[in-house]
Amino acid sequence: QKEVEQNSGPLSVPEGAIASLNCTYSDRGSQSFFWYRQYSGKSPELIMFIYSNGDKEDGRFTAQLNKASQYVSLLIRDSQPSDSATYLCAVFLNDYKLSFGAGTTVTVRA
Amino acid sequence: DTGVSQDPRHKITKRGQNVTFRCDPISEHNRLYWYRQTLGQGPEFLTYFQNEAQLEKSRLLSDRFSAERPKGSFSTLEIQRTEQGDSAMYLCASSLARQGYEQYFGPGTRLTVT
Repeated sequence: QKEVEQNSGPLSVPEGAIASLNCTYSDRGSQSFFWYRQYSGKSPELIMFIYSNGDKEDGRFTAQLNKASQYVSLLIRDSQPSDSATYLCAVFLNDYKLSFGAGTTVTVRA
Repeated sequence: DTGVSQDPRHKITKRGQNVTFRCDPISEHNRLYWYRQTLGQGPEFLTYFQNEAQLEKSRLLSDRFSAERPKGSFSTLEIQRTEQGDSAMYLCASSLARQGYEQYFGPGTRLTVT
């Protein structure tokens, strides 16, 4: 079983719509969860992190965590063409490493 | 800019050659990580250092790979006798030990083995 799994996508949304990305993880003891954005040919960039059950909002991004269901999601509101990228979900394990999902590619149509 | 830097950004080499990559972390960060990313996958952990000590190595890191961080500052990753399967983006990240979850990535070194 993979440590982190994401919807493979690709996900195509019209400009101004909400993009919804999902991620599940296998280690029930995981405490810290991250969303990275990666533009094609570039390195991952941290955009959100969440530790507590519930929602965390930062600008147009909302991260949601449900530890009982081992589920993390990211909502991108008012999607813009500049949001077109691959979004990586990551879990912090063993106090040193990030375990990443394979990523979901999002395309925002103008 | 005081972010993580990596050199070179691109490397093309022939199978069987040795290659070495360098990473300079954010100056106050005492942890340094190496990850590898292949097309369509997320980054995979390879190894990490706290100061100059290499504390963990993934089983992905075969004995052809070696990493050093001699003075607890920059790090090098060497691949000996490269194989086509080594073609990937090699990413370096750094963090503070007390905030190991907050890792900042460098631009990566893209390796192509022909």
